[in-house]
Amino acid sequence: KAGVTQTPRYLIKTRGQQVTLSCSPISGHRSVSWYQQTPGQGLQFLFEYFSETQRNKGNFPGRFSGRQFSNSRSEMNVSTLELGDSALYLCASSLGLGAGQGYEQYFGPGTRLTVT
Amino acid sequence: ELKVEQNPLFLSMQEGKNYTIYCNYSTTSDRLYWYRQDPGKSLESLFVLLSNGAVKQEGRLMASLDTKARLSTLHITAAVHDLSATYFCAVDMDSNYQLIWGAGTKLIIKP
Repeated sequence: KAGVTQTPRYLIKTRGQQVTLSCSPISGHRSVSWYQQTPGQGLQFLFEYFSETQRNKGNFPGRFSGRQFSNSRSEMNVSTLELGDSALYLCASSLGLGAGQGYEQYFGPGTRLTVT
Repeated sequence: ELKVEQNPLFLSMQEGKNYTIYCNYSTTSDRLYWYRQDPGKSLESLFVLLSNGAVKQEGRLMASLDTKARLSTLHITAAVHDLSATYFCAVDMDSNYQLIWGAGTKLIIKP
């Protein structure tokens, strides 16, 4: 069974640009969560999607957005990039009806975004 | 607001020793997860604990959950270098479709 895949794996952007990251969950998983991980802030929750609906969003500015498609694939977009957006962005999928709910999350390898 | 606190945040130990990582959380939940992250890598699920008194073991790692004390422990027995990693606990926000994560415990095991 294929794991969670994320593309691209590495990305370098300049301030002010926008970026779109993609996540393909494990087949059959409908819940997809996104996280930002930085050395200073640790692992921070961005959003959770289930059946194309965003059900929860973390404490991030509106520049961070996402969506989920009917095949459960998900994308997140960051507009007007800032230096502080440099981070590892992780996507996780779950068999449950949402993040947690008694099911482990399976994480993708992450996209490392560097903003210069 | 649910908060999850891990301690210690950093642990350096010798091979062969035993130690425990603690995960405290601030509100009622009976679902807790432990994950491992190797440097530069993604997170890997270790244990899913779903009830008070749950205990799970895999190799040299054993996790337990006390929902009344709002405490989970991850015990390492006779540590080996391969267990060097950062360990995270996460607690389930039942109706919020979100896991609340601890800050992680960076474990270094010296030969």
